[in-house]
Amino acid sequence: DGGITQSPKYLFRKEGQNVTLSCEQNLNHDAMYWYRQDPGQGLRLIYYSQIVNDFQKGDIAEGYSVSREKKESFPLTVTSAQKNPTAFYLCASTHGRMDGYTFGSGTRLTVV
Amino acid sequence: SQKIEQNSEALNIQEGKTATLTCNYTNYSPAYLQWYRQDPGRGPVFLLLIRENEKEKRKERLKVTFDTTLKQSLFHITASQPADSATYLCALDNTGFQKLVFGTGTRLLVSP
Repeated sequence: DGGITQSPKYLFRKEGQNVTLSCEQNLNHDAMYWYRQDPGQGLRLIYYSQIVNDFQKGDIAEGYSVSREKKESFPLTVTSAQKNPTAFYLCASTHGRMDGYTFGSGTRLTVV
Repeated sequence: SQKIEQNSEALNIQEGKTATLTCNYTNYSPAYLQWYRQDPGRGPVFLLLIRENEKEKRKERLKVTFDTTLKQSLFHITASQPADSATYLCALDNTGFQKLVFGTGTRLLVSP
């Protein structure tokens, strides 16, 4: 079955560490997205990519970086510059502008 | 400023009744609006998309309306069941950029 796989499900980061969240899709979707979800704040867009080797900053890109070397993969790195990284991170993809998003099951990142 | 507002208070209804959730937006001109369901600790699941030139869309027990004059969408679940208990998110496109902006969601609780 086609879908989006995010890993790991839970991730713990020490102060000053960079961590990378994985997102892989086998839906043949061109567009992929990273959102962050905090309690009471809804989903906020971090980065998005509409095509391989191209990506754009979202509303809260500071302290994050991404790459899009393959159509199937859109990893997110949370750098030490992100001062408040504890959140639920969601990856999504879509075929086109008039299609719904398919979301992964999320990664819960906690700073320890 | 741009805002998407959903009722932050949980909606409690009895099984069999119709649930109605509201999504209001300010300073957006969306070409379409989407509704998602999210269960705790999971990624959102796409339910319905309605375009700006559509007044109403139905899918099984779900109905969505879209009033671009009032800048409002209503989401209805008829004959509600306890299994419908979840958080429901509305989302709209930030015109032309193929990226969704999400509301904070409304939690629906359906009691037997």
